[in-house]
Amino acid sequence: AQSVTQLDSQVPVFEEAPVELRCNYSSSVSVYLFWYVQYPNQGLQLLLKYLSGSTLVKGINGFEAEFNKSQTSFHLRKPSVHISDTAEYFCAVSGLNAGKSTFGDGTTLTVKP
Amino acid sequence: SQTIHQWPATLVQPVGSPLSLECTVEGTSNPNLYWYRQAAGRGLQLLFYSIGIDQISSEVPQNLSASRPQDRQFILSSKKLLLSDSGFYLCAWSDVRINGYTFGSGTRLTVV
Repeated sequence: AQSVTQLDSQVPVFEEAPVELRCNYSSSVSVYLFWYVQYPNQGLQLLLKYLSGSTLVKGINGFEAEFNKSQTSFHLRKPSVHISDTAEYFCAVSGLNAGKSTFGDGTTLTVKP
Repeated sequence: SQTIHQWPATLVQPVGSPLSLECTVEGTSNPNLYWYRQAAGRGLQLLFYSIGIDQISSEVPQNLSASRPQDRQFILSSKKLLLSDSGFYLCAWSDVRINGYTFGSGTRLTVV
């Protein structure tokens, strides 16, 4: 079984500042890792994913994440945020042979002008 | 391209009434299908997932059920709704390569 912990429930940041949303996972097997974004009253949209290969993965909207196996982390970063990045962000993990994903509780990113 | 449709967008139902939420996927075959519930201010709880027609696994015992009568159709049902069934219900699909989910736009259910 897998579990995901998003270390910050809320992250306020000023526009054009950098941001990091932290995600740790626990699993007894190798995993795939994902970040999703959810805007109010909408479904989730896949931002990026780590399946294998390079530990630094780039996604849409200028986001990137780094897989750190030794620290079992998959933190999401953006060098300069915009007001439009205000949303809920979810980290998720799935086993290599299991289609279903386990989600963290989410981090609310609020970008202030 | 693949698309996923989920309806209705919002629903207000009295306690004890039945429920039927429908989800369909286009542009792919034999998808893995999922129903999640998101309570206010909380994460996603997996309710059901299906790897094929009439192959459904339940993750959480409760008064909800799911059916998959066709390859790309996934239905969430209840015979009698409880107040605690209120929430945001999300349908999602993935392919067998597990490249991540594509979510529907969600159904906001309020049980009154």
